[in-house]
Amino acid sequence: QVQLVQSGAEVKKPGTSVKVSCRAFGYTFTGNYLHWVRQAPGRGLEWMGWINPYSGGTHYAEKFQGWVTMTTDTSSSTAYMELSRLKSDDTAVYFCARGGHYAEYLQDWGQGTLVTVSS
Amino acid sequence: EIVLTQSPGTLSLSPGERATLSCRASQSVSSSYLAWYQQKLGQAPRLLIYGASSRATGIPDRFSGSGSGTDFTLTISRLEPEDFAVYYCQQYDISPFTFGPGTKVDIK
Repeated sequence: QVQLVQSGAEVKKPGTSVKVSCRAFGYTFTGNYLHWVRQAPGRGLEWMGWINPYSGGTHYAEKFQGWVTMTTDTSSSTAYMELSRLKSDDTAVYFCARGGHYAEYLQDWGQGTLVTVSS
Repeated sequence: EIVLTQSPGTLSLSPGERATLSCRASQSVSSSYLAWYQQKLGQAPRLLIYGASSRATGIPDRFSGSGSGTDFTLTISRLEPEDFAVYYCQQYDISPFTFGPGTKVDIK
């Protein structure tokens, strides 16, 4: 059974960084891309980018280029998403999600991590 | 970027009724790289449909997807109590892989 287990909620001050983890269980970690999606309170879903755990290659949405970094640790089947220079409107639930077979629909999702940015 | 528009914003129906949700893209989505997700309050989204019309594993056959190009539809043939939720479409053809704003299906 596939599971993506994310790290716990974070409270951060503006201008700092946050790093969210996503540990994968139940499938070959290097076999699918890993995506990150965020959802501000009461709002819709926003796709941030993906990482290929096999090669380490990444692709970020243009909006997030320069301030998001996605990495993986294949030894522990864990993906990380780090967002820097946080602002209050980065307050959101951040989800990791497993990509599909040869196409990037999001077939399994983590439970989400709430990041609150507040002074 | 491809902008997805969903209609209606809210759909008020009774259990047992048929729900028809629309997703329109600002440009053609090639290879029908269009997915539908269901999200309940406080939960992560769940994949329902990918490739415009293929049901994901474990999804009941009352959910069906259709369409191509710029116009796509999610149909729930007979609403069950657990189907009242928000539904999002997403295109994964061209980066950024955008989502629609969602359609809320609530109980009439």
